[in-house]
Amino acid sequence: KNEVEQSPQNLTAQEGEFITINCSYSVGISALHWLQQHPGGGIVSLFMLSSGKKKHGRLIATINIQEKHSSLHITASHPRDSAVYICAVRETSGSRLTFGEGTQLTVNP
Amino acid sequence: GEEVAQTPKHLVRGEGQKAKLYCAPIKGHSYVFWYQQVLKNEFKFLISFQNENVFDETGMPKERFSAKCLPNSPCSLEIQATKLEDSAVYFCASSQWASVYNEQFFGPGTRLTVL
Repeated sequence: KNEVEQSPQNLTAQEGEFITINCSYSVGISALHWLQQHPGGGIVSLFMLSSGKKKHGRLIATINIQEKHSSLHITASHPRDSAVYICAVRETSGSRLTFGEGTQLTVNP
Repeated sequence: GEEVAQTPKHLVRGEGQKAKLYCAPIKGHSYVFWYQQVLKNEFKFLISFQNENVFDETGMPKERFSAKCLPNSPCSLEIQATKLEDSAVYFCASSQWASVYNEQFFGPGTRLTVL
């Protein structure tokens, strides 16, 4: 069992739909990151969370430390949101990131 | 600089040849992390540095892989005698602190292809 699990693995949506990507983890963490990887391969850090909720534009990230669960929401999705979304955690014991396997999101016009 | 820089963008090596990858962290960042991405989205931590000192090397393969961060030079990751399974994208990330407050900023990656 992976320490960080994401669901779904693949997600196809129509433009304008509300999207949720989930991340569950099994270790104690000091922070959780949501990353975006575009087809060209570059990685962009979207959020770093240790509690509660953060919002940036159409993106919202939440985390429930007790349940060891985080969600990434995209409101009013757009084709340019098509990318791989990766959840990564930093364990309390260290500084390295442990990554989930990513969610491939495709938003169709 | 304002971004993590990695060179080269692509590197092709024959099996058994040496490969050397470079990373320049964001100016003012003290920590550098190397990650290997193989097969779609499998990321593996390799090694991290605090300035020129190894911070955590528990992810480094025992053989063939080495890394350095020397003052006033880009950090480097070197693979001696490359194997087919070393084909991957190698990402470097940097952060100001390796603590609960850090955010890691990623470079564009170096795609290594071993033939």
